[in-house]
Amino acid sequence: GENVEQHPSTLSVQEGDSAVIKCTYSDSASNYFPWYKQELGKGPQLIIDIRSNVGEKKDQRIAVTLNKTAKHFSLHITETQPEDSAVYFCAASITSGSRLTFGEGTQLTVNP
Amino acid sequence: NAGVTQTPKFQVLKTGQSMTLQCAQDMNHNSMYWYRQDPGMGLRLIYYSASEGTTDKGEVPNGYNVSRLNKREFSLRLESAAPSQTSVYFCASRDTIRGYTFGSGTRLTVV
Repeated sequence: GENVEQHPSTLSVQEGDSAVIKCTYSDSASNYFPWYKQELGKGPQLIIDIRSNVGEKKDQRIAVTLNKTAKHFSLHITETQPEDSAVYFCAASITSGSRLTFGEGTQLTVNP
Repeated sequence: NAGVTQTPKFQVLKTGQSMTLQCAQDMNHNSMYWYRQDPGMGLRLIYYSASEGTTDKGEVPNGYNVSRLNKREFSLRLESAAPSQTSVYFCASRDTIRGYTFGSGTRLTVV
């Protein structure tokens, strides 16, 4: 089955800096790669996703890049703010309708 | 629009006790999922239901059972709780366009 690895497990940045979280996946058939943000005491929420026919996708301060050849994808957050502090999960599946396999999560802390 | 509702939010069980975690969604989604979240291990799939009347095992099904009562409700049962089942449990339902919607979780401690 699919295996998703996520790095780093913790990341601390200063407000205004950029943050990058990286994931690798094992199943070359995977074509859908979402990212979830989990705030303390809440369930994960989808923040951005990318499909294999696209190399990069942006939404305001958040961007995701995908390298299908190398089987890795990354989340980029620019101009970080304290409210970006949360646990971020990457995931992969064959289609957007398939079961997701999640990475281990990254605890992002943005220091004011 | 409540989304995915989980009850209870917190529970403490003694080893060997049983309990059922409840999940309901009001988005008319066909697929529903139960995950457990443990530190450093991400979200691991326990069971899922692709549609009303069907259920399938995920990565870590041992010690759990599920029931898809109707399209809205998907419950998770621990028949004889063990300390290894101490975790945060999340229910989710899926829309093929917008992806997963998660509930707010149930924090379970087995002593």
